[in-house]
Amino acid sequence: NAGVMQNPRHLVRRRGQEARLRCSPMKGHSHVYWYRQLPEEGLKFMVYLQKENIIDESGMPKERFSAEFPKEGPSILRIQQVVRGDSAAYFCASSPPPGRGRVTGELFFGEGSRLTVL
Amino acid sequence: RKEVEQDPGPFNVPEGATVAFNCTYSNSASQSFFWYRQDCRKEPKLLMSVYSSGNEDGRFTAQLNRASQYISLLIRDSKLSDSATYLCVVTPSGSSNTGKLIFGQGTTLQVKP
Repeated sequence: NAGVMQNPRHLVRRRGQEARLRCSPMKGHSHVYWYRQLPEEGLKFMVYLQKENIIDESGMPKERFSAEFPKEGPSILRIQQVVRGDSAAYFCASSPPPGRGRVTGELFFGEGSRLTVL
Repeated sequence: RKEVEQDPGPFNVPEGATVAFNCTYSNSASQSFFWYRQDCRKEPKLLMSVYSSGNEDGRFTAQLNRASQYISLLIRDSKLSDSATYLCVVTPSGSSNTGKLIFGQGTTLQVKP
């Protein structure tokens, strides 16, 4: 019974390169969320997606960042032209649809993808 | 001002001690409240929900004071395995049905033998 799977666990990029982070939600979960945790800071909401739909992207930086959750395959968080300030742990979380045994506020997090920008 | 504020600690306590963490939130319209636990370099996991009437789960008791916009977590009889960072979490107004959570910075607990 696999949990939320994220890959890669660690990613090193040079400034200006692209980073792609992948997330497969728990089985039966159709809602995916991306959070970012900067060093010494709390997790910050970035985006909330359902299959083929972005529901809330109010936490996404206006430039260079994009997210998708296609009909088939994992959710992808894409960071173009990375800068040193993008170095962080990026956590994906999932939840079942509302009403299907879902506990409000309970998200199931993956182990995170740690991005280091040199 | 941060939306959710916590004392980062660390709190260093001996096994068996009782320890309390506090958290304040700035938005009086916040709807739901939780404590999550995050072990070092691991993912956060839900510890418990927080209600005005209080919520107790074994050695853990959480309390919400809406008037003061204050949330607490009490851990009794601390175990070595309780060592972790405890994250205070609120949901913004209108977001109780979504996964948009606002996390505090976390309070680090170290339980010593």
